[in-house]
Amino acid sequence: QQPVQSPQAVILREGEDAVINCSSSKALYSVHWYRQKHGEAPVFLMILLKGGEQKGHEKISASFNEKKQQSSLYLTASQLSYSGTYFCGTEIRDDKIIFGKGTRLHILP
Amino acid sequence: DTGVSQNPRHKITKRGQNVTFRCDPISEHNRLYWYRQTLGQGPEFLTYFQNEAQLEKSRLLSDRFSAERPKGSFSTLEIQRTEQGDSAMYLCASSLAGGYTFGSGTRLTVV
Repeated sequence: QQPVQSPQAVILREGEDAVINCSSSKALYSVHWYRQKHGEAPVFLMILLKGGEQKGHEKISASFNEKKQQSSLYLTASQLSYSGTYFCGTEIRDDKIIFGKGTRLHILP
Repeated sequence: DTGVSQNPRHKITKRGQNVTFRCDPISEHNRLYWYRQTLGQGPEFLTYFQNEAQLEKSRLLSDRFSAERPKGSFSTLEIQRTEQGDSAMYLCASSLAGGYTFGSGTRLTVV
């Protein structure tokens, strides 16, 4: 039931783009994305509820393909502040999130 | 809105002792969640409440774990007879609809 994230880790130079993928073996009600910096709590980025939905948050956006049970998080023109671990979380119904293992993103100056 | 508050921030306990953690959610949020996170892993679901009702408890959760949310406000998570494997960060989150707001967590170390 745990969603699978890929890649496990990414190293970028400032200004480069990244894509993080999340896939589930079950039909999904929603997909959440969170970012966690070392020693801090996860911070909510966005939630996607409908198939084919795309949302944006500054230079961070995401898509949700309901038929494929997949979501992708897009980070464009990455900034140093984007460093951290990104988690996708999936809901099969409107109850609780199950989180993936995370994708560690490191931005180099 | 002061966010989600968790106490204590850190707890060191001897194996076999009982510990209790407290979570104060955002006041207008009706849902409250407990998760556990170990190094390098994503948060693992433990249990959640809608108002004062505990709606689900993870099947992976030992009977040593119990949670309450009296009157639908703050919540407590108790671990009885702690074991070294219980060492982790315990995160509380609350929501009304949509995204979760997490507290800073309680780091438990069992020695």
